[in-house]
Amino acid sequence: GEDVEQSLFLSVREGDSSVINCTYTDSSSTYLYWYKQEPGAGLQLLTYIFSNMDMKQDQRLTVLLNKKDKHLSLRIADTQTGDSAIYFCAESQYGNKLVFGAGTILRVKS
Amino acid sequence: GAGVSQSPSNKVTEKGKDVELRCDPISGHTALYWYRQRLGQGLEFLIYFQGNSAPDKSGLPSDRFSAERTGESVSTLTIQRTQQEDSAVYLCASSLAGQSDYGYTFGSGTRLTVV
Repeated sequence: GEDVEQSLFLSVREGDSSVINCTYTDSSSTYLYWYKQEPGAGLQLLTYIFSNMDMKQDQRLTVLLNKKDKHLSLRIADTQTGDSAIYFCAESQYGNKLVFGAGTILRVKS
Repeated sequence: GAGVSQSPSNKVTEKGKDVELRCDPISGHTALYWYRQRLGQGLEFLIYFQGNSAPDKSGLPSDRFSAERTGESVSTLTIQRTQQEDSAVYLCASSLAGQSDYGYTFGSGTRLTVV
């Protein structure tokens, strides 16, 4: 079945870049997503990438997709304290039923 | 409405009681999803409604869990004879069918505590 895995925790200094990694097993995934969850809040879609792309940049966010290795990463440039949150990787086939990873806690130290 | 609305935001119930959680999706969103998030864990898929199609119930953990949706509007998730392991945040999300690039829009969730 589908499975999405992420590292549990990442700590960075303010101003540094953060890289959050994710691996997935479903080779028929068509969309891959990154969501952000701040304490006590719902999930917010940060960005997504279609499976025929290998990179997508959106302001401070860069998503890299290695489809051969089924590896997805999210790079946050110039990380700020407001970026501290849990980041979830998710995959789907044609937008149906997203399968989420367990989330990576990002802690930004000032 | 402007976003996905869930109620109640918090619910404390005694073990063995039934609870009903409500989700109001974004108007016009034909797809609606329920997920469960246990403390410190990722999101666990429960059920998916798409228009008038039969719902995908493959994630419901037991027959104590059921969900209904009226047309393309409100959905209710019912948990019968609640157990302590049902304590979690229950998240609802909606999306436009076929609009995969927008992902889902999530509500803020209902925090269920079974004591």
